[in-house]
Amino acid sequence: NAGVTQTPKFRVLKTGQSMTLLCAQDMNHEYMYWYRQDPGMGLRLIHYSVGEGTTAKGEVPDGYNVSRLKKQNFLLGLESAAPSQTSVYFCASSYQDRDYSNQPQHFGDGTRLSIL
Amino acid sequence: DQQVKQNSPSLSVQEGRISILNCDYTNSMFDYFLWYKKYPAEGPTFLISISSIKDKNEDGRFTVFLNKSAKHLSLHIVPSQPGDSAVYFCAAAFGNEKLTFGTGTRLTIIP
Repeated sequence: NAGVTQTPKFRVLKTGQSMTLLCAQDMNHEYMYWYRQDPGMGLRLIHYSVGEGTTAKGEVPDGYNVSRLKKQNFLLGLESAAPSQTSVYFCASSYQDRDYSNQPQHFGDGTRLSIL
Repeated sequence: DQQVKQNSPSLSVQEGRISILNCDYTNSMFDYFLWYKKYPAEGPTFLISISSIKDKNEDGRFTVFLNKSAKHLSLHIVPSQPGDSAVYFCAAAFGNEKLTFGTGTRLTIIP
């Protein structure tokens, strides 16, 4: 039972490099989300998707791009990495956006990203 | 502006006693509240939720209380067990807006 799988788990980048974080879910969920977690800041939403082919901005979208070409995958891209993007990134998915009692968001185990 | 606040970064409780984690919010529009639990090197997992039409929701050892007038919710864990040691996040939502998370409280259960 994989649930939400994030790759890679760890990555170190140099300033200006680009990379893509992959999120895959096997629960047939419509909604997918990318968060970042920083000390003292909690989880902040970067981008989200309400279905295949759709994306929308969250609270902290600058410096990131996303794509949802397939329902099961949600990609987060950093075109030109900056030290301020050093963080732990979490992907989540859910069936619906508002049925929190029965269908809350399911999270992956995170990607720890360091930008030097 | 932090709309969901967890003012205690850490809490230590003896095994078998009650753990009480607190969360305050500023946006009176929030109508759904959730608690997530997070172990190191893992993603958050859903624990319990409550709608604003209720003031209490219970699930086994876990109870969430909501005080709308005070804009305050709390999570009670009774009795506390070593496996409860984790970081706990509260989160809130309203309308079509996305979840807003608090900064988390690290709970340590002392055997």
